[in-house]
Amino acid sequence: EADIYQTPRYLVIGTGKKITLECSQTMGHDKMYWYQQDPGMELHLIHYSYGVNSTEKGDLSSESTVSRIRTEHFPLTLESARPSHTSQYLCASSDRAGTDTQYFGPGTRLTVL
Amino acid sequence: GDSVTQMEGPVTLSEEAFLTINCTYTATGYPSLFWYVQYPGEGLQLLLKATKADDKGSNKGFEATYRKETTSFHLEKGSVQVSDSAVYFCALSDQAAGNKLTFGGGTRVLVKP
Repeated sequence: EADIYQTPRYLVIGTGKKITLECSQTMGHDKMYWYQQDPGMELHLIHYSYGVNSTEKGDLSSESTVSRIRTEHFPLTLESARPSHTSQYLCASSDRAGTDTQYFGPGTRLTVL
Repeated sequence: GDSVTQMEGPVTLSEEAFLTINCTYTATGYPSLFWYVQYPGEGLQLLLKATKADDKGSNKGFEATYRKETTSFHLEKGSVQVSDSAVYFCALSDQAAGNKLTFGGGTRVLVKP
Protein backbone atom coordinates (compact mmCIF):
# COMPACT_ATOMS: atom_id res chain seq x y z
CA GLU A 1 0.00 0.00 0.00
CA ALA A 2 1.09 3.51 -0.79
CA ASP A 3 1.81 6.05 1.95
CA ILE A 4 0.63 9.34 0.55
CA TYR A 5 -1.30 11.85 2.60
CA GLN A 6 -3.41 14.87 1.85
CA THR A 7 -4.73 17.53 4.20
CA PRO A 8 -7.26 18.81 4.70
CA ARG A 9 -9.71 16.19 3.43
CA TYR A 10 -12.50 18.76 3.20
CA LEU A 11 -12.30 22.54 3.00
CA VAL A 12 -15.04 25.14 2.68
CA ILE A 13 -13.85 28.73 2.30
CA GLY A 14 -15.01 32.07 1.04
CA THR A 15 -14.07 33.76 -2.21
CA GLY A 16 -10.76 35.60 -2.21
CA LYS A 17 -9.05 33.51 0.47
CA LYS A 18 -5.59 32.10 -0.01
CA ILE A 19 -5.38 28.34 0.54
CA THR A 20 -2.72 25.67 0.50
CA LEU A 21 -3.51 22.01 -0.03
CA GLU A 22 -0.89 19.73 1.48
CA CYS A 23 0.45 16.51 -0.01
CA SER A 24 3.16 14.34 1.50
CA GLN A 25 4.53 10.91 0.69
CA THR A 26 6.89 8.71 2.67
CA MET A 27 8.01 6.42 -0.14
CA GLY A 28 10.88 8.56 -1.38
CA HIS A 29 9.27 8.88 -4.81
CA ASP A 30 10.85 11.34 -7.20
CA LYS A 31 7.72 12.13 -9.18
CA MET A 32 4.61 13.82 -7.81
CA TYR A 33 1.40 14.98 -9.45
CA TRP A 34 -1.74 17.03 -8.83
CA TYR A 35 -5.00 16.18 -10.53
CA GLN A 36 -8.31 18.03 -10.54
CA GLN A 37 -11.39 15.86 -10.69
CA ASP A 38 -14.61 17.47 -11.87
CA PRO A 39 -18.09 16.34 -10.82
CA GLY A 40 -18.35 14.31 -14.00
CA MET A 41 -15.47 12.20 -12.63
CA GLU A 42 -12.96 13.09 -15.34
CA LEU A 43 -9.39 13.58 -14.10
CA HIS A 44 -7.19 16.40 -15.33
CA LEU A 45 -3.44 16.71 -14.65
CA ILE A 46 -2.75 20.28 -13.48
CA HIS A 47 0.83 20.08 -12.12
CA TYR A 48 3.67 17.62 -11.86
CA SER A 49 7.20 17.45 -10.56
CA TYR A 50 10.05 15.09 -11.41
CA GLY A 51 12.10 16.00 -8.37
CA VAL A 52 13.19 18.74 -5.98
CA ASN A 53 13.04 22.22 -7.54
CA SER A 54 11.29 20.82 -10.62
CA THR A 55 7.67 21.77 -11.38
CA GLU A 56 5.71 21.70 -14.62
CA LYS A 57 2.20 22.64 -15.67
CA GLY A 58 -0.06 19.82 -16.69
CA ASP A 59 -2.57 19.36 -19.45
CA LEU A 60 -5.28 21.52 -17.87
CA SER A 61 -4.55 25.18 -17.26
CA SER A 62 -4.88 26.05 -13.58
CA GLU A 63 -4.56 29.25 -11.57
CA SER A 64 -2.93 27.27 -8.78
CA THR A 65 0.81 27.07 -8.16
CA VAL A 66 3.00 24.35 -6.67
CA SER A 67 6.42 24.04 -5.11
CA ARG A 68 8.81 21.14 -4.50
CA ILE A 69 11.40 22.08 -1.93
CA ARG A 70 11.56 18.64 -0.34
CA THR A 71 11.20 15.26 -2.01
CA GLU A 72 8.32 14.19 0.22
CA HIS A 73 6.26 17.39 0.06
CA PHE A 74 4.30 18.89 -2.88
CA PRO A 75 1.88 21.60 -1.74
CA LEU A 76 -0.62 23.32 -4.03
CA THR A 77 -1.56 26.96 -3.46
CA LEU A 78 -4.43 29.12 -4.64
CA GLU A 79 -3.70 32.81 -4.02
CA SER A 80 -7.32 33.90 -4.34
CA ALA A 81 -9.93 31.18 -4.36
CA ARG A 82 -13.03 31.48 -6.54
CA PRO A 83 -16.19 29.35 -6.87
CA SER A 84 -14.82 27.99 -10.16
CA HIS A 85 -12.04 26.33 -8.11
CA THR A 86 -14.58 24.12 -6.35
CA SER A 87 -13.46 20.58 -7.11
CA GLN A 88 -11.79 17.44 -5.82
CA TYR A 89 -7.97 17.66 -5.83
CA LEU A 90 -5.95 14.43 -5.93
CA CYS A 91 -2.24 14.11 -5.31
CA ALA A 92 -0.17 11.18 -6.57
CA SER A 93 3.43 10.03 -6.60
CA SER A 94 5.49 7.49 -8.53
CA ASP A 95 8.96 6.05 -8.64
CA ARG A 96 11.20 6.47 -11.70
CA ALA A 97 11.94 2.76 -11.69
CA GLY A 98 9.86 -0.03 -13.15
CA THR A 99 6.45 0.77 -14.54
CA ASP A 100 6.27 4.21 -12.95
CA THR A 101 3.02 3.26 -11.25
CA GLN A 102 1.24 6.22 -9.68
CA TYR A 103 -0.17 5.96 -6.17
CA PHE A 104 -2.86 8.36 -5.03
CA GLY A 105 -3.71 10.15 -1.83
CA PRO A 106 -7.27 10.30 -0.45
CA GLY A 107 -8.00 13.69 -2.01
CA THR A 108 -9.11 17.12 -0.82
CA ARG A 109 -12.63 18.24 -1.58
CA LEU A 110 -12.58 22.03 -1.90
CA THR A 111 -15.71 24.17 -1.89
CA VAL A 112 -15.41 27.89 -2.49
CA LEU A 113 -18.48 29.90 -1.61
CA GLY B 1 -1.76 11.71 -28.84
CA ASP B 2 -2.59 9.01 -26.36
CA SER B 3 -6.19 8.35 -25.41
CA VAL B 4 -8.29 5.88 -23.44
CA THR B 5 -11.94 5.10 -24.10
CA GLN B 6 -14.03 3.16 -21.64
CA MET B 7 -17.69 2.31 -21.58
CA GLU B 8 -19.99 4.86 -20.08
CA GLY B 9 -21.95 4.05 -17.01
CA PRO B 10 -23.67 3.74 -14.81
CA VAL B 11 -23.56 -0.02 -14.84
CA THR B 12 -26.12 -1.52 -12.47
CA LEU B 13 -25.82 -5.18 -11.51
CA SER B 14 -27.21 -7.61 -8.98
CA GLU B 15 -24.90 -9.25 -6.48
CA GLU B 16 -23.05 -12.31 -7.89
CA ALA B 17 -23.49 -11.11 -11.48
CA PHE B 18 -20.63 -11.02 -14.00
CA LEU B 19 -19.03 -7.64 -14.59
CA THR B 20 -17.26 -6.46 -17.73
CA ILE B 21 -16.04 -2.92 -18.31
CA ASN B 22 -14.63 -2.33 -21.77
CA CYS B 23 -11.50 -0.25 -22.27
CA THR B 24 -9.63 0.51 -25.49
CA TYR B 25 -6.61 2.71 -25.97
CA THR B 26 -4.53 4.60 -28.51
CA ALA B 27 -0.86 5.13 -27.81
CA THR B 28 2.23 6.14 -29.77
CA GLY B 29 4.58 3.85 -27.87
CA TYR B 30 4.26 0.66 -25.87
CA PRO B 31 2.22 1.65 -22.85
CA SER B 32 1.66 0.10 -19.47
CA LEU B 33 -2.03 -0.30 -18.68
CA PHE B 34 -3.84 0.17 -15.39
CA TRP B 35 -7.21 -0.11 -13.73
CA TYR B 36 -7.86 2.17 -10.77
CA VAL B 37 -10.90 2.08 -8.48
CA GLN B 38 -12.40 5.02 -6.61
CA TYR B 39 -14.76 4.35 -3.72
CA PRO B 40 -17.13 7.14 -2.62
CA GLY B 41 -15.31 10.03 -0.97
CA GLU B 42 -11.87 8.54 -1.51
CA GLY B 43 -8.89 8.82 -3.82
CA LEU B 44 -7.91 6.36 -6.53
CA GLN B 45 -6.56 2.96 -5.60
CA LEU B 46 -4.53 0.86 -7.99
CA LEU B 47 -6.56 -2.26 -8.77
CA LEU B 48 -4.31 -4.02 -11.26
CA LYS B 49 -1.82 -3.39 -14.02
CA ALA B 50 -0.13 -5.00 -17.01
CA THR B 51 3.10 -3.86 -18.60
CA LYS B 52 3.30 -5.77 -21.88
CA ALA B 53 1.20 -7.57 -24.43
CA ASP B 54 -0.61 -10.71 -23.21
CA ASP B 55 0.11 -9.89 -19.57
CA LYS B 56 -2.83 -10.52 -17.26
CA GLY B 57 -3.29 -8.32 -14.21
CA SER B 58 -5.40 -9.61 -11.37
CA ASN B 59 -6.44 -8.53 -7.89
CA LYS B 60 -9.44 -9.04 -5.58
CA GLY B 61 -11.15 -11.29 -8.14
CA PHE B 62 -10.76 -8.73 -10.94
CA GLU B 63 -8.81 -9.55 -14.10
CA ALA B 64 -7.73 -7.74 -17.24
CA THR B 65 -5.56 -8.92 -20.14
CA TYR B 66 -3.36 -6.61 -22.23
CA ARG B 67 -4.46 -7.24 -25.82
CA LYS B 68 -2.15 -5.45 -28.23
CA GLU B 69 -3.93 -6.74 -31.36
CA THR B 70 -7.22 -5.17 -30.30
CA THR B 71 -5.66 -2.36 -28.20
CA SER B 72 -7.89 -3.34 -25.31
CA PHE B 73 -7.69 -3.93 -21.57
CA HIS B 74 -11.18 -5.00 -20.50
CA LEU B 75 -11.87 -5.43 -16.79
CA GLU B 76 -13.81 -8.52 -15.64
CA LYS B 77 -15.05 -10.01 -12.40
CA GLY B 78 -16.96 -13.23 -12.20
CA SER B 79 -19.16 -12.53 -9.18
CA VAL B 80 -19.55 -8.98 -7.91
CA GLN B 81 -20.42 -7.92 -4.38
CA VAL B 82 -22.15 -4.82 -3.06
CA SER B 83 -18.74 -3.64 -1.85
CA ASP B 84 -17.55 -3.47 -5.50
CA SER B 85 -19.79 -0.45 -6.05
CA ALA B 86 -17.36 2.26 -7.12
CA VAL B 87 -16.02 4.20 -10.10
CA TYR B 88 -13.48 2.35 -12.23
CA PHE B 89 -10.85 4.14 -14.33
CA CYS B 90 -8.80 2.63 -17.11
CA ALA B 91 -5.47 4.37 -17.71
CA LEU B 92 -2.26 4.08 -19.68
CA SER B 93 1.28 5.23 -19.05
CA ASP B 94 3.35 5.82 -22.15
CA GLN B 95 7.11 6.20 -21.87
CA ALA B 96 7.05 8.21 -25.09
CA ALA B 97 4.86 10.74 -23.26
CA GLY B 98 7.04 10.96 -20.18
CA ASN B 99 5.09 8.26 -18.34
CA LYS B 100 2.23 10.60 -17.55
CA LEU B 101 -1.06 8.81 -16.99
CA THR B 102 -3.85 9.15 -19.53
CA PHE B 103 -7.24 8.27 -18.02
CA GLY B 104 -10.51 7.13 -19.45
CA GLY B 105 -13.63 8.94 -18.34
CA GLY B 106 -14.50 6.46 -15.59
CA THR B 107 -17.34 3.96 -15.28
CA ARG B 108 -19.63 4.03 -12.28
CA VAL B 109 -20.70 0.57 -11.11
CA LEU B 110 -23.59 0.00 -8.73
CA VAL B 111 -24.14 -3.46 -7.30
CA LYS B 112 -27.52 -4.09 -5.70
CA PRO B 113 -28.11 -6.81 -3.10
